[in-house]
Amino acid sequence: DTGVSQDPRHKITKRGQNVTFRCDPISEHNRLYWYRQTLGQGPEFLTYFQNEAQLEKSRLLSDRFSAERPKGSFSTLEIQRTEQGDSAMYLCASVGDANSPLHFGNGTRLTVT
Amino acid sequence: DAKTTQPPSMDCAEGRAANLPCNHSTISGNEYVYWYRQIHSQGPQYIIHGLKNNETNEMASLIITEDRKSSTLILPHATLRDTAVYYCIVILNYGGATNKLIFGTGTLLAVQP
Repeated sequence: DTGVSQDPRHKITKRGQNVTFRCDPISEHNRLYWYRQTLGQGPEFLTYFQNEAQLEKSRLLSDRFSAERPKGSFSTLEIQRTEQGDSAMYLCASVGDANSPLHFGNGTRLTVT
Repeated sequence: DAKTTQPPSMDCAEGRAANLPCNHSTISGNEYVYWYRQIHSQGPQYIIHGLKNNETNEMASLIITEDRKSSTLILPHATLRDTAVYYCIVILNYGGATNKLIFGTGTLLAVQP
């Protein structure tokens, strides 16, 4: 069990650029979640996958955001035409057994200049 | 899911017990109380959860009042490494439709040497 892995750990980009983050969940965990966290706030739910199916999306996930989990294993979160308000920590979590706690990665910190 | 209320910050002396309170007066009968913590620059880490009975594991103890309207997380011998933001979350049946966690702003516990 190597834990939830996120890449990159840090990303600095200029406004208007596209960025993509990757999350590798714990092996065989079929549920995967994306959260966003801004300074001083708790993590906010963005979206959730069960295997490859995206089952729920938050209103926070504007049309510039897209998440995929094509083979039901790793997931990517893409932000198009980044804005300064997108600067945040993006966290990924996974869970296997429905009665087990979520395991979080250490996040990708995005800074939009 | 029920809303929780936590103090924004607390101090604790190293080696002493840290008692972190949480109010969840609107909790319903089948909602669980979960505690996570987040050390600076890391993802949230699961600590403990409970429904009605008090629970203890290697990290902490969870005391839930008889009316279930409040709970206390106890770290029996706080160390400097326990300095973190602690989140109390109430969630309906972890095996439910999405299992997503709704985080508040938590309690910043500062363990003092």
